[in-house]
Amino acid sequence: EPEVTQTPSHQVTQMGQEVILRCVPISNHLYFYWYRQILGQKVEFLVSFYNNEISEKSEIFDDQFSVERPDGSNFTLKIRSTKLEDSAMYFCASSDYRAGDTEAFFGQGTRLTVV
Amino acid sequence: AQSVTQPDIHITVSEGASLELRCNYSYGATPYLFWYVQSPGQGLQLLLKYFSGDTLVQGIKGFEAEFKRSQSSFNLRKPSVHWSDAAEYFCAVGNNAGNMLTFGGGTRLMVKP
Repeated sequence: EPEVTQTPSHQVTQMGQEVILRCVPISNHLYFYWYRQILGQKVEFLVSFYNNEISEKSEIFDDQFSVERPDGSNFTLKIRSTKLEDSAMYFCASSDYRAGDTEAFFGQGTRLTVV
Repeated sequence: AQSVTQPDIHITVSEGASLELRCNYSYGATPYLFWYVQSPGQGLQLLLKYFSGDTLVQGIKGFEAEFKRSQSSFNLRKPSVHWSDAAEYFCAVGNNAGNMLTFGGGTRLMVKP
């Protein structure tokens, strides 16, 4: 069964460092998303991406965040200068909007720890 | 703005007992509703979804949910819980066919032998 793959599963970084979280969406999907879940809190939408541009973003997704689809398979989330409060589980998801009856398939997440 | 409330943070049931997890949503139009399950160390797995049509939807692992517009609810049910159902369950509402999901706070289910 096709699945969304995220790497690494766990990343530790120092405050102020840049970090890139990587995702391989399901191959025929067109919409891509990032969500995050701070420990003990709700899963929160960050951004959606379609046709090589951001289609929607939340207020959390400020200038320190960026997304990119550098090639035909990867979808990345970059955090330019990490803060302690960026520590969270980050989920990538993808969906086939063309199906008209869509659902988002989630990866297993990357746990980011900022120290 | 859309929102989702899951009133029960923790629920404990005995194996074999029935289960109902509550979900209330706020959304201005016809909602797209989802239930996801997250086992420890795992990602979010879709249990079922409601987009339109029959208000009682069947999902995987023997789960079902009923959309009640008058009550703004989408409660998840299972007639007989198995120990492997212990996990965290998230209700979510989507805009525009699910392209931006708003999640509830989750309900952690524990199953007693």
